[in-house]
Amino acid sequence: EDQVTQSPEALRLQEGESSSLNCSYTVSGLRGLFWYRQDPGKGPEFLFTLYSAGEEKEKERLKATLTKKESFLHITAPKPEDSATYLCAVQASGNQFYFGTGTSLTVIP
Amino acid sequence: NAGVTQTPKFQVLKTGQSMTLQCAQDMNHEYMSWYRQDPGMGLRLIHYSVGAGITDQGEVPNGYNVSRSTTEDFPLRLLSAAPSQTSVYFCASSYWRGTYNSPLHFGNGTRLTVT
Repeated sequence: EDQVTQSPEALRLQEGESSSLNCSYTVSGLRGLFWYRQDPGKGPEFLFTLYSAGEEKEKERLKATLTKKESFLHITAPKPEDSATYLCAVQASGNQFYFGTGTSLTVIP
Repeated sequence: NAGVTQTPKFQVLKTGQSMTLQCAQDMNHEYMSWYRQDPGMGLRLIHYSVGAGITDQGEVPNGYNVSRSTTEDFPLRLLSAAPSQTSVYFCASSYWRGTYNSPLHFGNGTRLTVT
């Protein structure tokens, strides 16, 4: 059964304290792994797509990496405006996306 | 560009009532989908469509109907609302190339309460 698990559920960081969020997956025929950011009361906003193991993408303080079983979202020197819920999703064979339950990140000034 | 537009933003229904959640996109995306988001459950796919006239069921389709008569619109119908359908509903769209989707673009959601 296709499954996506994110950890931790919640993370509190001091401003400037770097950390990583984890997304582990078990799917047959991975076609893409996607990271999204969701702010309260809003829809998810696309951040990155990763297609194959070893691939990395960066955007400002965020860097996403992919292995055959998991993906990491590294946050370097976070700022309070990085506070949000980060969602991971995978597209397996077929036309469906499977989402994890997200990591709620709070960055304290 | 407006992107994905969902209406209404909020809705309260009584058990047994029916309603339609509207979704429109102006990006000429072939793929459109509906998700519900519940605390601790993540986003779960209700129905999706890969083009006008084509729809298919997702993970949690019971109690919901969809149709796709145009590329732009993908309404979600609740046939007889139940308290278990209290949730936040998101519409999302993307380009579709048969096997690969581009990233999903989401609307800002409809918060539905069924009493």
